[in-house]
Amino acid sequence: AQSVTQPDIHITVSEGASLELRCNYSYGATPYLFWYVQSPGQGLQLLLKYFSGDTLVQGIKGFEAEFKRSQSSFNLRKPSVHWSDAAEYFCAVGPGYSTLTFGKGTMLLVSP
Amino acid sequence: DGGITQSPKYLFRKEGQNVTLSCEQNLNHDAMYWYRQDPGQGLRLIYYSQIVNDFQKGDIAEGYSVSREKKESFPLTVTSAQKNPTAFYLCASAFDPRNSPLHFGNGTRLTVT
Repeated sequence: AQSVTQPDIHITVSEGASLELRCNYSYGATPYLFWYVQSPGQGLQLLLKYFSGDTLVQGIKGFEAEFKRSQSSFNLRKPSVHWSDAAEYFCAVGPGYSTLTFGKGTMLLVSP
Repeated sequence: DGGITQSPKYLFRKEGQNVTLSCEQNLNHDAMYWYRQDPGQGLRLIYYSQIVNDFQKGDIAEGYSVSREKKESFPLTVTSAQKNPTAFYLCASAFDPRNSPLHFGNGTRLTVT
């Protein structure tokens, strides 16, 4: 069965500092991996995706993620966080784009 | 503008009543999905439909029902059999269930007392 673990429930980062959100997955084959962002009371927006090719993928809003098969990880990074990045972030895995399994989310708080 | 519309944004019901959540999309997407979100639990798949008049159970289908009579619409009924119906419900769609990313609506928060 596929599963996703996001070890950090909350993370607080100072504005302008770098960010890394952790994601570990369990999947029997080559996974499709995703990061989504959710603002309070809203739906989810896709930040980036990986399913093959270059293991460092670029997304929207200056985010990137690196797929590491040996560590079963797909960590999300941003070099300089903006206050508007405060939101909840979800990692997801699946056999394709649909029927995804989501992690429990990491809430990002940005301090001034 | 194309998108997914979920209505209403907030819904209140008494225990024991069935309630139907609306999801409409004008993106011409074939696939539609319902997820349930609880605090600290992430999203869990309730039902999905990859084509009109066909749908499959997700991970937590018990106490829910759906229909897909039109491509644009995928309503979710929360029945009285659902033991803990209070949650945030998200509808999503995709143009091609194999090769297209999910687009999400803005959700309906259901409170049952």
